[in-house]
Parts: sequence; structure tokens; C-alpha cells
Amino acid sequence: DTAVSQTPKYLVTQMGNDKSIKCEQNLGHDTMYWYKQDSKKFLKIMFSYNNKELIINETVPNRFSPKSPDKAHLNLHINSLELGDSAVYFCASSQGQGTNEKLFFGSGTQLSVL
Amino acid sequence: EDQVTQSPEALRLQEGESSSLNCSYTVSGLRGLFWYRQDPGKGPEFLFTLYSAGEEKEKERLKATLTKKESFLHITAPKPEDSATYLCAVQAGYYALNFGKGTSLLVTP
Repeated sequence: DTAVSQTPKYLVTQMGNDKSIKCEQNLGHDTMYWYKQDSKKFLKIMFSYNNKELIINETVPNRFSPKSPDKAHLNLHINSLELGDSAVYFCASSQGQGTNEKLFFGSGTQLSVL
Repeated sequence: EDQVTQSPEALRLQEGESSSLNCSYTVSGLRGLFWYRQDPGKGPEFLFTLYSAGEEKEKERLKATLTKKESFLHITAPKPEDSATYLCAVQAGYYALNFGKGTSLLVTP
């Protein structure tokens, strides 16, 4: 029973398209995150939600819009995809706000923009 | 700005050959230093959290230590299944983790 699951695993698309990545956690955690891992394996925070409210919004283009319908789900929608968006996107969750220890990560979505 | 630097970038060890990975950091008000393991095609998996200088934590063949400027992940008598990328991250205040670029470890039989 997967704790943090994200879909799809692979996403190949053309420049200019709009795409979404879905994430769900069954751990009962209050906080969820989106991280981006670039080709150099550098893992960087994008967004964080606590109980459906946005608490961290790093310098990310407006084309990226997170949506949290409930505290178990955090989806990432990307408009007008660009070549530089190609990366692996990880969803994660943790128990409380500001207590980032024991982040539980999903297995990642590899996005390739052609 | 918080900085996390890991070295070496890559490390190749023979099975049984002990070594250490380094994570040096500059952060205002360290709330915690974290070690994660990442296998190819998977998300990072939590290993340890260290909170203050002098603290040590162990798990099987791994031991993490912390000083005011750096952390070490000591690997004793590694096995091939220890091959992975090891990520260090720091947290300052109520902010998300700031990760280093990782050390890619390969343990050969």
C-alpha cells in the first residue's frame, strides 16, 4: 500500500502543452510538497501546502499552479510547457507544518518536454 | 542564503571498505540536518535527523554525526546494497528542506 503515490510516472509532451501531475498520500499527514529535481540531481522545493493552504511558494514561474482539493491530495498543473521544465517532479508529505523531518516522497514523475 | 555542499560527488568503494561522506553547510538558525538515501528511479528515503552539534545517530552500517559546520555519514563495511545517492539537507526556521546535490555511492563486490 503506497504511502505517497503520484501519477503519471512518465510524461512526454510537446512544448506549449498543458499538463497535470497528481499526488495522493494515505499517511494522514497535514503538509504536502512539490519538489523539482533537475538533471544534476539537485532537489529544490517548489510549493508546500498545509491543510489545503499554501504555505511555501518559491520563485516558480506562474505557469506552475498547485491545487489541493483536500489535505490528502496535491496536484501540480503546468501551463505552456517549456524545454527547461524537463525534470523529475517529486511529491512529498510530512506530519506537521514546519516540521519537515521524515518527509515521505513519492517515486517521482519524469517530465520530458520536446 | 543557506548553502549545503556535499563531497565527494561520487565515491566508489570495494565491499567492506569503510569511508565517510561529507556535508558542509552554512545556515542561520539550524533547525535540523537530514540525511536521505535515493535509489535510481525512486524518491528520497529518510535516514536520519540531527539537531545539535555533537549528536550522532546510527542505523545498521550507517552513522551520522554533526558539528557546527558539517555532518558526516560514515559507512562501515559497506555492501553492494548500500549503493545509492545520499542526500544531505538542512532546515532553518519553518521552511522547507534545502538539499545538497548528493553523493553517488557505488559499492562493488
